[in-house]
Amino acid sequence: DTEVTQTPKHLVMGMTNKKSLKCEQHMGHRAMYWYKQKAKKPPELMFVYSYEKLSINESVPSRFSPECPNSSLLNLHLHALQPEDSALYLCASSQDRGLSGGRVSYNEQFFGPGTRLTVL
Amino acid sequence: SQQGEEDPQALSIQEGENATMNCSYKTSINNLQWYRQNSGRGLVHLILIRSNEREKHSGRLRVTLDTSKKSSSLLITASRAADTASYFCATVGLYGNKLVFGAGTILRVKS
Repeated sequence: DTEVTQTPKHLVMGMTNKKSLKCEQHMGHRAMYWYKQKAKKPPELMFVYSYEKLSINESVPSRFSPECPNSSLLNLHLHALQPEDSALYLCASSQDRGLSGGRVSYNEQFFGPGTRLTVL
Repeated sequence: SQQGEEDPQALSIQEGENATMNCSYKTSINNLQWYRQNSGRGLVHLILIRSNEREKHSGRLRVTLDTSKKSSSLLITASRAADTASYFCATVGLYGNKLVFGAGTILRVKS
């Protein structure tokens, strides 16, 4: 199974709501990623998990809270978002090449289809 | 933060023609990867070329890497309408901690 799944496909939420995005992979990858992508722009890295530990946080606002409950699952908890947070949120995974010096991945990343988030 | 610039920003060709996209980057790399993204969907990995490689082929794809010029090109031969998508180059730095994407090229193949 070389698939990364993401739920939901679409999400509309108000600024006071709390919601979660989910990502799952069964390829045995130990590195997982969250990206944010605005229209006509490249993906921007938000978080990296390696062996279920947060290894990179790209100075993301605390209204985004990642969680890695086990090696197959990655969540992104959303709270008090702003309209400018509306975007496509992509999850990805890759084979981990080691933890030394904070290195996470040299390899190709497998992406999920994304969650289209709209904040009203 | 973006590492690379891609050129052209948009490309429109007829089916059967070849499409060439270029990518430039700023810092030394471990490898460079190309991804395709169909409208509003996830990215699909196309090819990875390491810093000690100069050229790589995969089916109708040919990628070159010139580390002295910090640039790469992706050639798609005999294009098809299904190749219509955005194409991104992405680099992995020497310490390999993350993938940094270029701005992307929007390719439209007309049938």
